[in-house]
Amino acid sequence: EAGVIQSPRHEVTEMGQEVTLRCKPISGHNSLFWYRQTMMRGLELLIYFNNNVPIDDSGMPEDRFSAKMPNASFSTLKIQPSEPRDSAVYFCASSFSGANVLTFGAGSMLTVL
Amino acid sequence: DAKTTQPNSMESNEEEPVHLPCNHSTISGTDYIHWYRQLPSQGPEYVIHGLTSNVNNRMASLAIAEDRKSSTLILHRATLRDAAVYYCILRPSGGSARQLTFGSGTQLTVLP
Repeated sequence: EAGVIQSPRHEVTEMGQEVTLRCKPISGHNSLFWYRQTMMRGLELLIYFNNNVPIDDSGMPEDRFSAKMPNASFSTLKIQPSEPRDSAVYFCASSFSGANVLTFGAGSMLTVL
Repeated sequence: DAKTTQPNSMESNEEEPVHLPCNHSTISGTDYIHWYRQLPSQGPEYVIHGLTSNVNNRMASLAIAEDRKSSTLILHRATLRDAAVYYCILRPSGGSARQLTFGSGTQLTVLP
């Protein structure tokens, strides 16, 4: 069974540029999560979808961040414009709603210069 | 939300058992205890979870104190591949996976 697939694995961009991170959840999972991990703040939940609908986006840091889930097999996290403080590893995870277990992707490491 | 306390780091020798402690003195009666681990350059990975009784699976065992104020993740025979950050997390019963709040965890170093 394929796991959660994220792309790109690494992204280096300049301040002010738009960044789009992509995620393909495990087939059949109906909950999707975007997390951000930094040394200072650890692993933070940004947004959570259930059945493709955003349920809780209270963790999204600013209006520069947006996330979409147009269908059950694809989600994007967009940062526009990007800033150096957005540099982090962004993880996507999926699960069955109400399930105990989250399955994480390998992450997208973003560096904003 | 109930919080967990874990040591920042631990060391173990390869092929020996490892006991990773977690204190959760404010746990409520319906909170599940979850453990995840994060290997270098990877996303967190589910290890095990339990409510009251001790639990075993192919990866590890979870020993839960009778008063549930603490728990211990047991790796029966550590390998170099077990070197990771281990997170102990509480999740309310009936809550969804979104309620998994990751703390700073314990960095486990396995010595050859």
